[in-house]
Amino acid sequence: NAGVTQTPKFQVLKTGQSMTLQCAQDMNHNSMYWYRQDPGMGLRLIYYSASEGTTDKGEVPNGYNVSRLNKREFSLRLESAAPSQTSVYFCASSKYRGGTDTQYFGPGTRLTVL
Amino acid sequence: AQKITQTQPGMFVQEKEAVTLDCTYDTSDQSYGLFWYKQPSSGEMIFLIYQGSYDEQNATEGRYSLNFQKARKSANLVISASQLGDSAMYFCAMRGEDTGGFKTIFGAGTRLFVKA
Repeated sequence: NAGVTQTPKFQVLKTGQSMTLQCAQDMNHNSMYWYRQDPGMGLRLIYYSASEGTTDKGEVPNGYNVSRLNKREFSLRLESAAPSQTSVYFCASSKYRGGTDTQYFGPGTRLTVL
Repeated sequence: AQKITQTQPGMFVQEKEAVTLDCTYDTSDQSYGLFWYKQPSSGEMIFLIYQGSYDEQNATEGRYSLNFQKARKSANLVISASQLGDSAMYFCAMRGEDTGGFKTIFGAGTRLFVKA
């Protein structure tokens, strides 16, 4: 039982390049999330997927797209990377959508955009 | 608007002593969940403890307890018998039920240093 896994762990991009961050969970969770963490700050929600087949914007969605490929996988795409997107990206999942349900996080992807 | 405030950027504690990390929150939701996460230097986010807004008793998980004062809108984390491995960043977070339960708000975090 690996929990939530993310690939890659580290990535360096040049401005304008595109890339996709991959996330998978093996806990049979329904809901999945993408967050970013900037230095000295807490996490901010980018996009979420309440259940397979649905996605919706979070607090900071601009410059990102997501795909809920199946129940296990939720990917985050940067179409044209900008230096402002330099951050640590976390994927998370929870069994249900309720506010009382715990989110479990992946190990994070450290992205640098030059 | 929902908000989480952690007023202590850094805290020091002597090994084996207890420490309290402060967290206050603001929400108009009637039902919500409060969480604490630990982020060690390795970077992963580790779930520590959860408190529901309707729970009458304070949550406890091993050496962690959550001092929940609903009227004051505070949810302080208490770590008893601190260990060197407790040195990390700690985040308080809240999810609201009435807003669909998807939006989790995080505080800016408190960095805890445990001294030998």
